Amino acid sequence: DQQVKQNSPSLSVQEGRISILNCDYTNSMFDYFLWYKKYPAEGPTFLISISSIKDKNEDGRFTVFLNKSAKHLSLHIVPSQPGDSAVYFCAASGSGTSYDKVIFGPGTSLSVIP
Amino acid sequence: NAGVTQTPKFQVLKTGQSMTLQCAQDMNHNSMYWYRQDPGMGLRLIYYSASEGTTDKGEVPNGYNVSRLNKREFSLRLESAAPSQTSVYFCASRRQGMTGELFFGEGSRLTVL
Repeated sequence: DQQVKQNSPSLSVQEGRISILNCDYTNSMFDYFLWYKKYPAEGPTFLISISSIKDKNEDGRFTVFLNKSAKHLSLHIVPSQPGDSAVYFCAASGSGTSYDKVIFGPGTSLSVIP
Repeated sequence: NAGVTQTPKFQVLKTGQSMTLQCAQDMNHNSMYWYRQDPGMGLRLIYYSASEGTTDKGEVPNGYNVSRLNKREFSLRLESAAPSQTSVYFCASRRQGMTGELFFGEGSRLTVL
């Protein structure tokens, strides 16, 4: 049973507009959430993270929002650029003895159209 | 600064053969991971090691064994490869801290015929 879900396999956005990537999770014990970006034939690279004590975290063009009651988080990219075209993965881990078990979602493929 | 290094990058095996994927990190991280990536399935956790001397099963451990040789190295072994193990394998290590991020290697593409 998938604990981290990304229900949109793909997303297309015009350059300069906002990209919103969504992620849902089922395990209420998750406390830490991370977003990764992956280009073909490369390893995933870290984008931004958030802990459950926050509801928002910003880093440049990237903002992550966390709604813990809904078990939902989203990644906003503003403005979107063609170089943002990649697969985006959401990941989650718990705390204490569950901290080290990091579970990823299936990913969303973002295409930014020039 | 090498980060996370995986070898080999490509490997073709026949069903029933064995092989070991090697991974090393030079960032002094405690936690290390093995994931596999398959189309539509994302990154699935095979095994992880929270510290030297410990290993734990992830989501899809069947058919695999791991060894945390020391703090730097974490290897993944396929004892009797099956076509279902054809995949891209990623090793990662995790920075300590509240939302410590994982650093990934470049991946190892394994094909089992």
